[in-house]
Amino acid sequence: NAGVTQTPKFQVLKTGQSMTLQCAQDMNHEYMSWYRQDPGMGLRLIHYSVGAGITDQGEVPNGYNVSRSTTEDFPLRLLSAAPSQTSVYFCASSYGTPEGDTEAFFGQGTRLTVV
Amino acid sequence: KNQVEQSPQSLIILEGKNCTLQCNYTVSPFSNLRWYKQDTGRGPVSLTIMTFSENTKSNGRYTATLDADTKQSSLHITASQLSDSASYICVVSDLKGAGSYQLTFGKGTKLSVIP
Repeated sequence: NAGVTQTPKFQVLKTGQSMTLQCAQDMNHEYMSWYRQDPGMGLRLIHYSVGAGITDQGEVPNGYNVSRSTTEDFPLRLLSAAPSQTSVYFCASSYGTPEGDTEAFFGQGTRLTVV
Repeated sequence: KNQVEQSPQSLIILEGKNCTLQCNYTVSPFSNLRWYKQDTGRGPVSLTIMTFSENTKSNGRYTATLDADTKQSSLHITASQLSDSASYICVVSDLKGAGSYQLTFGKGTKLSVIP
């Protein structure tokens, strides 16, 4: 089972460049989200989606855009990369909202370095 | 502001020994608490979920406890193995209602099991 697939696994960008982090899930989950993980900090929510065509901002949305045209895909776009966006990015999906007894499944992460 | 505090930050134990990781939270209203295991370079994987009415839950050599009155949880690992070396993350969900999406992540405890 593929689960949640993220690409690429590693990426180096120059300041000002743009790029898209891909996330796909094959579990027919309605809920998908993007987190960033920085040293010494817990995972922080960037954006999330409760279904195709619906997205919303999380705790740290600035500098990122998302869209959800299909149930399976939830790409994260960096508009103009900055060194502060150097981080490990995780995509997650779940059948329901975290308030219920549903488990969030995480991808393997994308390690992004902005120089 | 919702907070999840984990202790210790890091822990080194000998293979075969037991250990206990702690999680204190101030999330309100409380919905559930999950412990995740994150291997180096991988995404978090759920170990167990605790709801308000549950005190103890086991998953193999992992046993989680929850005291909703004191807002504390612990994860006990029995007869540790080298493969237990990972970061263990406590994640608490609040009950904001349908359509909401609020998880608070702890910073994790990095466990190293040595031969």
